[in-house]
Amino acid sequence: AQKITQTQPGMFVQEKEAVTLDCTYDTSDPSYGLFWYKQPSSGEMIFLIYQGSYDQQNATEGRYSLNFQKARKSANLVISASQLGDSAMYFCAMRERTGGTSYGKLTFGQGTILTVHP
Amino acid sequence: ETGVTQTPRHLVMGMTNKKSLKCEQHLGHNAMYWYKQSAKKPLELMFVYSLEERVENNSVPSRFSPECPNSSHLFLHLHTLQPEDSALYLCASSKIGQGATDTQYFGPGTRLTVL
Repeated sequence: AQKITQTQPGMFVQEKEAVTLDCTYDTSDPSYGLFWYKQPSSGEMIFLIYQGSYDQQNATEGRYSLNFQKARKSANLVISASQLGDSAMYFCAMRERTGGTSYGKLTFGQGTILTVHP
Repeated sequence: ETGVTQTPRHLVMGMTNKKSLKCEQHLGHNAMYWYKQSAKKPLELMFVYSLEERVENNSVPSRFSPECPNSSHLFLHLHTLQPEDSALYLCASSKIGQGATDTQYFGPGTRLTVL
């Protein structure tokens, strides 16, 4: 089974509107982290937002918020007031600490291409 | 320079060449990572260095050889590559340890083409 699933290969949104990008995950690790990254056509992977599995509140960073539903194992990214510069590939990722490692293994989803129309 | 830098940004090499990719982080992190991103595939973790020790090698062919001389620098030495090795190679770093979120910050990547 895939650990991270992004079911939307592509999404379109009108400028200034909000958009939700879906992400579901699968893990048996009680302590994990969920991340969203943005990858413009230039290739750089830009960190957007982080949600820890024990965090009680949904994470927010400016126009980005993470709709964390732990029981449903979903971590959707909400972008409010979309801008043309938001057009990019968006990746959901999960960090698990397995095998007693000192670092977290990051697993990425397939990504969603977001296109913002003027 | 701030963040994570990678050089070169673009590289074209023949199958018999030897080249190296360089990554440098200016964030005071203690873990560094190499990822491969091929078209239409998720990012694949290649190597992890934690506190300058290689702690993960995900069945990467020996034609890829990592080196981490200190916590700020990471290299990926390439030799006798195959055309299917053409991809975007991303370096990342993170702060691991007590209380750290272990958020990985990425460099801009090296786009490699093997002829």
